[in-house]
Amino acid sequence: SAVISQKPSRDICQRGTSLTIQCQVDSQVTMMFWYRQQPGQSLTLIATANQGSEATYESGFVIDKFPISRPNLTFSTLTVSNMSPEDSSIYLCSVRSAGGPGETQYFGPGTRLLVL
Amino acid sequence: GQNIDQPTEMTATEGAIVQINCTYQTSGFNGLFWYQQHAGEAPTFLSYNVLDGLEEKGRFSSFLSRSKGYSYLLLKELQMKDSASYLCAARGGGYQKVTFGTGTKLQVIP
Repeated sequence: SAVISQKPSRDICQRGTSLTIQCQVDSQVTMMFWYRQQPGQSLTLIATANQGSEATYESGFVIDKFPISRPNLTFSTLTVSNMSPEDSSIYLCSVRSAGGPGETQYFGPGTRLLVL
Repeated sequence: GQNIDQPTEMTATEGAIVQINCTYQTSGFNGLFWYQQHAGEAPTFLSYNVLDGLEEKGRFSSFLSRSKGYSYLLLKELQMKDSASYLCAARGGGYQKVTFGTGTKLQVIP
């Protein structure tokens, strides 16, 4: 199984500032994703991080608000820009390995963000 | 579109068996994941079903019927540590993304 680390694990930020979250995987993976989980709710996909090209964003999420980088197959960053209290959430990096019946998708430990 | 339904909460007794159901409507369906999530932690991968039928992994089993858009997670010999949320997630649609249900919060009681 892939081992995923995220930094920071948690942060408290002021309204209007930006935070960049890093995701590091211990092996090369084809697909990396960023999810958000708001308090008491399930996971919502923000975007698919593509290596060497622009991320693919889901409906309701835009690049100006959530810029994403993926310079190689093991690393990605998500920036939460111009934060407001509504951005308070857990942000999770996820990776998918292999394909077919043996496929798995793992999650990092998450970054807990509180915006004041 | 994507639509996934699962019960919000369930309660079961330690040592018993519990079945958590999930129905989905997913265009371009490819497969179905089950995850366990303890409060304050990230989801932990349990299973991924692509083919119809039952797959067993120790105390946990997962079943899929593609024709019915239906899956269940079966937990046997329940332990107190099994108290958690169980998330059903379907893979399909554009870019083969994974869409999550709202999760079933399972409480195991003595």
